[in-house]
Amino acid sequence: GAGVSQSPSNKVTEKGKDVELRCDPISGHTALYWYRQSLGQGLEFLIYFQGNSAPDKSGLPSDRFSAERTGGSVSTLTIQRTQQEDSAVYLCASSLGQAVGYTFGSGTRLTVV
Amino acid sequence: AQTVTQSQPEMSVQEAETVTLSCTYDTSENNYYLFWYKQPPSRQMILVIRQEAYKQQNATENRFSVNFQKAAKSFSLKISDSQLGDTAMYFCGISGGGSQGNLIFGKGTKLSVKP
Repeated sequence: GAGVSQSPSNKVTEKGKDVELRCDPISGHTALYWYRQSLGQGLEFLIYFQGNSAPDKSGLPSDRFSAERTGGSVSTLTIQRTQQEDSAVYLCASSLGQAVGYTFGSGTRLTVV
Repeated sequence: AQTVTQSQPEMSVQEAETVTLSCTYDTSENNYYLFWYKQPPSRQMILVIRQEAYKQQNATENRFSVNFQKAAKSFSLKISDSQLGDTAMYFCGISGGGSQGNLIFGKGTKLSVKP
C-alpha cells in the first residue's frame, strides 16, 4: 500500500484479556518500529525490527508484551493479560533507512476497561 | 544510549510570527540523523524536516528550518510565518547507532498558533 496501515484503529478490551495489534508497513521497507503514546505524552519506543536481524526488544515494558514480524512484512504486537495502564495509542512506523526517514501509521487507540 | 530533551512542554505564537522550538540530544555515535515530526490532533505523525549529522548546512523546508549546533548537541526548529495549521505537538528525534538505526524521541512540545 501507499502508507503504513494499522488495525484496528480503536480497540476496547476488558482488563485481563489478550489483544493483538497489527501493522502493515510500506512494501519493501526493511525496518519496522512500534511505539506507545500515553495520553498527552511522548512516544515511548517499544521494539524495532531490521531485516532478518534479531529485533531490539529493549523498550518492551514487561513480559506481557511481545511482537512478531512475519516474512519481513506484517507485524503483530501482542499484549497479554491487559492492564488499565496499557491504555494508550500504539503507533507503528516503517523505514527504508535512516537517511530516508520514517513513515508512521495512524495508530491503534487501545482502551482497557 | 541516545537521549533527546525538549525543554518546552508548551509554546504559543501569534499567526504570521516566528517561533523556535528547542531540542538537545546526547549520543555517542558519529553518524546519526535528526528529525522533527509534527503530530496534529488527528495523531498522524508527519515528517517536518531532517538533518544528517555530517552535513554542516542547516536543513530548510519552506517555512521550517533548523539550527543545528553539533558541538552543543542542539537541534532547534524555527517556524516562520506561523499558520493556524501549524498547531500540533512537535517531536524531536534522533536515529543512529550503527546497524540498528533506532529512532528515539523527546517528550514533545505542544505548539498553539493563535489568530
